[in-house]
Amino acid sequence: GAVVSQHPSRVICKSGTSVKIECRSLDFQATTMFWYRQFPKQSLMLMATSNEGSKATYEQGVEKDKFLINHASLTLSTLTVTSAHPEDSSFYICSPGLLYNEQFFGPGTRLTVL
Amino acid sequence: DAKTTQPNSMESNEEEPVHLPCNHSTISGTDYIHWYRQLPSQGPEYVIHGLTSNVNNRMASLAIAEDRKSSTLILHRATLRDAAVYYCILYNGGSQGNLIFGKGTKLSVKP
Repeated sequence: GAVVSQHPSRVICKSGTSVKIECRSLDFQATTMFWYRQFPKQSLMLMATSNEGSKATYEQGVEKDKFLINHASLTLSTLTVTSAHPEDSSFYICSPGLLYNEQFFGPGTRLTVL
Repeated sequence: DAKTTQPNSMESNEEEPVHLPCNHSTISGTDYIHWYRQLPSQGPEYVIHGLTSNVNNRMASLAIAEDRKSSTLILHRATLRDAAVYYCILYNGGSQGNLIFGKGTKLSVKP
């Protein structure tokens, strides 16, 4: 299988600060990385898709200037939540998509904005 | 991708079998039926998938109706660790696609 890690696993920050979440594929090269957001008691919602070496594509309603995605290498994609506010508090999950009929996911990052 | 319908929640007793149903009446001939689960505060993990025939693996069994309009995920002996949200998802794309998650079924396991 594919191993995906995320860092940090949880972060608490003050309103107005920026937070960077790293997603690493440890044993394979990921040309694509999907970023999801999950609010309490809700399902995963796709936010954006990053592609190595090119601009990310964002789902409708997701502000690209607020959620900056960088996919500079085949093993690292980052999501930066800029000027975070309490409504951005959520569980953020990355995934390289389906590989051999199975989709692998990172363990998630719990963001709490005070 | 076609839609699936699952009960919001189910309860089970530890060490008893659990049958988690999923309806997908608009499934197309090329849709695979995938099941994932999400333990609390973790990313989703793959459970099983199938196309037409029943499937077994070390985690679970997948029973697919003959008309493919419904399927059932079977956990043969539920453990406390199986308490999670279970998602039934249809997918007909190639590699490097992504699955679209519905609300799933929250399974509670009582000791």
